[in-house]
Amino acid sequence: NAGVTQTPKFQVLKTGQSMTLQCAQDMNHNSMYWYRQDPGMGLRLIYYSASEGTTDKGEVPNGYNVSRLNKREFSLRLESAAPSQTSVYFCASSEAAGVPQETQYFGPGTRLLVL
Amino acid sequence: GENVEQHPSTLSVQEGDSAVIKCTYSDSASNYFPWYKQELGKGPQLIIDIRSNVGEKKDQRIAVTLNKTAKHFSLHITETQPEDSAVYFCAASKRDMRFGAGTRLTVKP
Repeated sequence: NAGVTQTPKFQVLKTGQSMTLQCAQDMNHNSMYWYRQDPGMGLRLIYYSASEGTTDKGEVPNGYNVSRLNKREFSLRLESAAPSQTSVYFCASSEAAGVPQETQYFGPGTRLLVL
Repeated sequence: GENVEQHPSTLSVQEGDSAVIKCTYSDSASNYFPWYKQELGKGPQLIIDIRSNVGEKKDQRIAVTLNKTAKHFSLHITETQPEDSAVYFCAASKRDMRFGAGTRLTVKP
């Protein structure tokens, strides 16, 4: 099992460009999450999907959109990138649907630099 | 919403010593408290967790304690080894997971 995979690993964008970060899990998990990690601020939840077909905003959703394509895949889209979105983005998944009180499994991350 | 504070931000110990990392949370309704370890260039990985109906949990050299009244919980690592060097994150969860800012632990051989 690959667990949680993310593509790309690294991306450089210019201000105003758009891009989609891809995430897939092969553990048959119901819940999936997108976090951003900034120095000195830990991980902050952007969006999550408690089950296939549902998505909800997290702590810092502004400037992002998500799509739960199917049970395996959860993508994060930046429509018009800004320098403030320079960060490391982590996707995670957990087994139960809509239960945040359980282990989350993280991908290796995508490093995004917006110039 | 929930606010999680973590201290210290950096911690350096000698191999074999103990390390303690402390976190406080603000929402008394939070009921799940995991600890994650993040090695350089990798995603966080769960090392231990505790639920609000338990005061202490131990797994080999790692233990976590929870004081619900004071709203704080701590990670204890005994007999530290160089491979324990990493960034450690605490988190508290009710509706969603809120993470502390992290502690960079360095274990000197």
